[in-house]
Amino acid sequence: DVKVTQSSRYLVKRTGEKVFLECVQDMDHENMFWYRQDPGLGLRLIYFSYDVKMKEKGDIPEGYSVSREKKERFSLILESASTNQTSMYLCASRLAGDKLNEQFFGPGTRLTVL
Amino acid sequence: QQQVKQSPQSLIVQKGGISIINCAYENTAFDYFPWYQQFPGKGPALLIAIRPDVSEKKEGRFTISFNKSAKQFSLHIMDSQPGDSATYFCAVANQAGTALIFGKGTTLSVSS
Repeated sequence: DVKVTQSSRYLVKRTGEKVFLECVQDMDHENMFWYRQDPGLGLRLIYFSYDVKMKEKGDIPEGYSVSREKKERFSLILESASTNQTSMYLCASRLAGDKLNEQFFGPGTRLTVL
Repeated sequence: QQQVKQSPQSLIVQKGGISIINCAYENTAFDYFPWYQQFPGKGPALLIAIRPDVSEKKEGRFTISFNKSAKQFSLHIMDSQPGDSATYFCAVANQAGTALIFGKGTTLSVSS
């Protein structure tokens, strides 16, 4: 079974702090994704990565950056956390070229910025 | 601009009833239409998906109906069970890209 793990289930940070959210997958997937999930807004794509050291902006990249130094790990960085970044953050991975285009999600990190 | 519109936002169905969730899209370049299911405290997981060369796909109690001309697709859950209570997301994608575009989700509650 594909396993996508996220470093924390719950995180509380202060406004202005630098925040790192880590995601690791164990199935050698090339593609990885970061989403945020908010009530009534669904899943919105922040950034994605086709492969190591590659990244593409999603629909809402403002205030975020990412790092993909190793294939299995994709980090989301909030350079200066703000209260409007309080949300559930979901990481996903996908095998490149998969005909099913199936994304495997982690359990999520619920981030609260005070 | 919302590329995929999902309705209803929430749905309450009696046990044994049929649950129907609808999605509409604009871009005819989309050619992959999955549904994801999310239980509380978990990440979404692929439930069922369809490509536009067929009008219907059935897996157990779950069926996707696809109307290419109307640019709509729907999820039908037959004989709904309390264990089906979850949030359901439709999504769209095209062959050229790997990113999915998700609808806003439907929270389904099946009452016993």
